[in-house]
Amino acid sequence: QVQLQESGPRLVKPSQTLSLTCTVSGGSISSGSYYWSWTRQPAGKGLEWIGRIYTSGSTKYNPSLKSRVIISVDTSKNQFSLMLSSVTAADTAVYYCARDADSSASDYWGQGTLVTVSS
Amino acid sequence: QSVLTQPPSASGTPGQRVTISCSGSSSNIGSNYVSWYQHLPGTAPKLLICRNTQRPSGVPDRFSGSKSGTSASLAISGLRSEDEADYYCAAWDDSLSGRVFGGGTKLTVL
Repeated sequence: QVQLQESGPRLVKPSQTLSLTCTVSGGSISSGSYYWSWTRQPAGKGLEWIGRIYTSGSTKYNPSLKSRVIISVDTSKNQFSLMLSSVTAADTAVYYCARDADSSASDYWGQGTLVTVSS
Repeated sequence: QSVLTQPPSASGTPGQRVTISCSGSSSNIGSNYVSWYQHLPGTAPKLLICRNTQRPSGVPDRFSGSKSGTSASLAISGLRSEDEADYYCAAWDDSLSGRVFGGGTKLTVL
């Protein structure tokens, strides 16, 4: 059973960089033809796709966030990571990592982690 | 404003059949698979439907998906109180080169 767990600072100051890591267990991040993605949900709002990465390193990002986002993968640690720069209060959200079975279907998700942007 | 359009709310009584719509365009629903998610507060979204109509293992057959042209629908039959949740549709958008979600539909079981 594949499991994903987000980790990283829960509080980030405005203008700084939000960094989260997703650790995958129960299987190799390199096995199968899967993408690995990040999605977020601000309080009271809907789901927003942030971006995805393939284990080759190939990435796709949400155009609205593209200038500030970097997603990377470390296959030796079975992890992938999210960096979001120049954060503001609007970036306060629950951040989820997930495994993508296809372009719109994420079949395994982390439990989510609330990241608050505040001074 | 979401790229995919869903009604903000839906409701039904136990045992009823409820349908949630998702409207898009030729660059997303019209040319790519649609997925549906159930999201309960404080939990991770759960994949209910993938590839327009397919149910992942463990999803009850009370949940079904359909797609026609640039629109898709999620139907829930035999409504139960535990179905009360937010439901989201999603699809890949070729113009944006990214995944897009609907704004979500809050389902209330009366």
